Amino acid sequence: DTAVSQTPKYLVTQMGNDKSIKCEQNLGHDTMYWYKQDSKKFLKIMFSYNNKELIINETVPNRFSPKSPDKAHLNLHINSLELGDSAVYFCASSQGLPGQGRRSYTFGSGTRLTVV
Amino acid sequence: GESVGLHLPTLSVQEGDNSIINCAYSNSASDYFIWYKQESGKGPQFIIDIRSNMDKRQGQRVTVLLNKTVKHLSLQIAATQPGDSAVYFCAEFGGYQKVTFGTGTKLQVIP
Repeated sequence: DTAVSQTPKYLVTQMGNDKSIKCEQNLGHDTMYWYKQDSKKFLKIMFSYNNKELIINETVPNRFSPKSPDKAHLNLHINSLELGDSAVYFCASSQGLPGQGRRSYTFGSGTRLTVV
Repeated sequence: GESVGLHLPTLSVQEGDNSIINCAYSNSASDYFIWYKQESGKGPQFIIDIRSNMDKRQGQRVTVLLNKTVKHLSLQIAATQPGDSAVYFCAEFGGYQKVTFGTGTKLQVIP
């Protein structure tokens, strides 16, 4: 059973399109995250939700909108895609609030987004 | 072999040799650190952790060393194997909501 699963694994789309990435965790964790990994493998946090509430919102363009229908799901919708949005997006989850349950941090396998 | 730097350096090591991967962290208030391994096409996976009140922690074939004076963390892998080939990240946890990942080091094991 995959603990943190994201779909799709690959996404190729044209500039200007709107797309969504979905994430689900079956670990019973309270907190979920979206990270962006650039071509140099640098991981940067974008958003974090705890029990469906947004608690971390880094400086991310408004075109990115996370949605958490319940604590096991965190989706990412991106409007008006740009070339610079091309990256690998990772979903992660952890037990408790960020900063707590740190050892429990679990990542999904990533979604490679390519904007052409 | 050893690696330093912040721009995804590559460390090439002969199979069976020991590897040392280095990480310079930024926040002197960080009190917990994790090393992650990221294989191609996968997400980062937990390898080993260390709290700031420790200098050294050992796992199976891996050892993490922490030098708080110079804000330096290292991961030592003994008898490196082809399956160890991956990108390795350190992550520092500095209190509530504050986690920062290093840029990673790519380890290539030469059979």
